[in-house]
Amino acid sequence: DIQMTQSPSSLSASVGDRVTITCRASQSISSYLNWYQQKPGKAPKLLIYAASTLQSGVPSRFSGSGPGTDFTLTISSLQPEDFATYYCQQTYNMPYTFGQGTKLEI
Amino acid sequence: QVQLVQSGAEVKKPGASMKVSCKASGDTLTGYYMHWVRQAPGQGLEWMGRINPKSGATNYAQKFQGRVTMTRDTSNSTFYLDLSRLKSDDTAVYYCARWGGGSYVFDPWGQGTLVTVSS
Repeated sequence: DIQMTQSPSSLSASVGDRVTITCRASQSISSYLNWYQQKPGKAPKLLIYAASTLQSGVPSRFSGSGPGTDFTLTISSLQPEDFATYYCQQTYNMPYTFGQGTKLEI
Repeated sequence: QVQLVQSGAEVKKPGASMKVSCKASGDTLTGYYMHWVRQAPGQGLEWMGRINPKSGATNYAQKFQGRVTMTRDTSNSTFYLDLSRLKSDDTAVYYCARWGGGSYVFDPWGQGTLVTVSS
C-alpha cells in the first residue's frame, strides 16, 4: 500500500497568513494526488485534483504543487472559512489512501 | 449534478451487522464507481472499497475482506454497504463517494452515516 504522510498534523495561523501543508507519498504517484477540506460534522470537499488543478468554485487563494512524491497545498491568504482539516489522497493505486490530516486552527 | 443521500444513524451491538444505503439522484449510475470511506471519531479517512454500478464488480480493502459486502440496486440508484461481525472500533461515520470519472477523484460525497457499535 502507498503511505501518505502529511505535515504538520496541526497548524495555528491567523487570518491573512500564507500557509503551506505538505504531503509525501511512499512511492511516486505521478500527479494522482487530491486535496480535500473537511469541516466538523461535514463530508470532505474536493479542493484540488491532479496535484494542482483547482476544482470548480474553489477560491484561487488555494493552490497545489507536485508531481512525484512530494506535494504541497498552499493557501495564500487565510480567510475565516478556511479553518478546517485538510487531507491529501492518492488515487494512483488501490487502496486509495489518505494522509492523516492537517488541522488548521486560528 | 449528482447528489448522494445516505441512510440515518444506527446503533449496533458487537457481533451484529450493519447496512448503510446511499441513494444517488441527478446524473445517476453513469458507469462511475461508487466508493465507501469511513472515519472513526476524531480520526482520519479510511478507504473501504468500491463497486462498479454497471457490473456490480467490487474491490475491497484487505482490512475488510471477509466482513464487507458492497451491492447496488440499479432500479432505484441505490448503493449499499454491509459490514458484519461488528466491533467497537467499527464505530465511525461511513461515507459513500462517487468516482469523478477522468479526474480520479471522489466527488461528490454523501452526508455520512454514523454507526455506533456498543453493548
